[in-house]
Amino acid sequence: DGGITQSPKYLFRKEGQNVTLSCEQNLNHDAMYWYRQDPGQGLRLIYYSQIVNDFQKGDIAEGYSVSREKKESFPLTVTSAQKNPTAFYLCASSSTLSSYEQYFGPGTRLTVT
Amino acid sequence: KNEVEQSPQNLTAQEGEFITINCSYSVGISALHWLQQHPGGGIVSLFMLSSGKKKHGRLIATINIQEKHSSLHITASHPRDSAVYICAVRRYGGSQGNLIFGKGTKLSVKP
Repeated sequence: DGGITQSPKYLFRKEGQNVTLSCEQNLNHDAMYWYRQDPGQGLRLIYYSQIVNDFQKGDIAEGYSVSREKKESFPLTVTSAQKNPTAFYLCASSSTLSSYEQYFGPGTRLTVT
Repeated sequence: KNEVEQSPQNLTAQEGEFITINCSYSVGISALHWLQQHPGGGIVSLFMLSSGKKKHGRLIATINIQEKHSSLHITASHPRDSAVYICAVRRYGGSQGNLIFGKGTKLSVKP
């Protein structure tokens, strides 16, 4: 079945450690996105990628980094510079950057203590 | 003021009730999305609207571009409809980086 997978579903880390969240899609989509969701807030865009080897900062990119070496993969690294990393992280993809339909992964809940 | 406002924030209904969730926005848009987020966190796209009305099963979505307002209706609600419903707009002329999300409406349908 085509879709987006994120792993793991729950992730725990100690403060000061970098952590990488996985996102894989087999929809053959060019565009991919990372969002952060906090309680009582709307989703906020961290980074997005229009195509392989290209990515752009979203609204809250500070403390995060991404790579897009393969079309199907868009990993997100939460660095120790991110002041409040505990959140729910959602990955999404769309056929192209201008496509209206976005498909979301199941999300990863990151807890940093 | 948020560019996308949803109301109510929380909604509790009895099974079978007709439900309305509202979304107002303050920017020019090319499209509006209604999304459903289940307790586990996964998000499913319900509708994408640029004008008029769409229906899928018991769900109906409407949009009034002049009034910058959209509604999501659920007829004959069922406990399995319990979820967070999110309105998102795509800013007119923008890239996908300009998708703006509301805070969501948490719906709980009691049997």
